[in-house]
Amino acid sequence: DVKVTQSSRYLVKRTGEKVFLECVQDMDHENMFWYRQDPGLGLRLIYFSYDVKMKEKGDIPEGYSVSREKKERFSLILESASTNQTSMYLCASSLFGPTYEQYFGPGTRLTVT
Amino acid sequence: TQLLEQSPQFLSIQEGENLTVYCNSSSVFSSLQWYRQEPGEGPVLLVTVVTGGEVKKLKRLTFQFGDARKDSSLHITAAQPGDTGLYLCAGARSYNTDKLIFGTGTRLQVFP
Repeated sequence: DVKVTQSSRYLVKRTGEKVFLECVQDMDHENMFWYRQDPGLGLRLIYFSYDVKMKEKGDIPEGYSVSREKKERFSLILESASTNQTSMYLCASSLFGPTYEQYFGPGTRLTVT
Repeated sequence: TQLLEQSPQFLSIQEGENLTVYCNSSSVFSSLQWYRQEPGEGPVLLVTVVTGGEVKKLKRLTFQFGDARKDSSLHITAAQPGDTGLYLCAGARSYNTDKLIFGTGTRLQVFP
């Protein structure tokens, strides 16, 4: 079974802090994704990586950066956390084709106060 | 632009009832997936359909991909409280298939 783990289930940070969210997958998947999920807005893609050191902006990249130094690990960085970044953050991984099924981690509920 | 619309948005039913959730688009997808997400957890893949007209069954859940590969449905027979959750459809576009397009979601509550 594919396993995707996220570093924290719950996180509380203060406005202006730098926040690191880490995701690790154990199935040698090429693709990794970071989403945020908010009530009424659904799943929104923040960033996507299709290979080590490669990244592509998603729909809402502003205020976020990512790092992928190893194939199994994909980090999301909030450079200076703001209250509007309070959300559920979901990491996912997938193979490159043919159906691009994504496997999700359990999520990190981030609260910025 | 929301490419995948799900209906209904919310569904509240009694145990034992049947229900159908729809996932519609004007775009063609090379494959379509259904996920279920329980509160506080990440989405879990239920099924993938790839061929127009394809029907797949997973116990009491029946998934169908439209003939034109633009829509899909999920039918649950004799719903149980354990079916409660957020159901998401997601499609892979033929020309940009690394990323999935997620539907708006259907929140299902099944009462005992």
